[in-house]
Amino acid sequence: GQNIDQPTEMTATEGAIVQINCTYQTSGFNGLFWYQQHAGEAPTFLSYNVLDGLEEKGRFSSFLSRSKGYSYLLLKELQMKDSASYLCAVINNAGNMLTFGGGTRLMVKP
Amino acid sequence: GAGVSQTPSNKVTEKGKYVELRCDPISGHTALYWYRQSLGQGPEFLIYFQGTGAADDSGLPNDRFFAVRPEGSVSTLKIQRTERGDSAVYLCASSFGGGAGDTQYFGPGTRLTVL
Repeated sequence: GQNIDQPTEMTATEGAIVQINCTYQTSGFNGLFWYQQHAGEAPTFLSYNVLDGLEEKGRFSSFLSRSKGYSYLLLKELQMKDSASYLCAVINNAGNMLTFGGGTRLMVKP
Repeated sequence: GAGVSQTPSNKVTEKGKYVELRCDPISGHTALYWYRQSLGQGPEFLIYFQGTGAADDSGLPNDRFFAVRPEGSVSTLKIQRTERGDSAVYLCASSFGGGAGDTQYFGPGTRLTVL
């Protein structure tokens, strides 16, 4: 079966740092994606991890531990425009299907 | 270049009617995917095309749902005898080759409402 868990909602302050966690139990694994989705818009790609460790990309970083079935997305220097849903998704062995978590709605307050 | 486009952006229909949703992938992308997203949830996989063929349709909920991609570019998702439970945002995505590390780029979706 496929099970991907992430918190439903988080709130943080402008300029701060926030970490969004994702745990997964899937029958196949060929990498983990993070997407950002503003209300009513398309999900947009943030990061892809397939090896253990931290990938840094500007204000956003993503971490993966395959042995623990765990990932997090770290957002630094939060801006109001970062208010959105953040989707964690696992790609299957065949590389053709993303299984998504329910998404974490992040609200950034002044 | 242009991203993934989907038409219509909104579709309201009555229970029992037939609908078609269209997806134009990014030019040159051989892989195309359809997902369905209900309010407050993550997208759920429906079907994957590699070129013209449906390589994986395991996510289609029942035989009322069908999708085609006759020339390996534009795809149409077809829903027969629509039900209120079909109401959702239907997202299309494309990727360059369809490999695990290939990023799937999403379109803005079609919001389907079945009355």
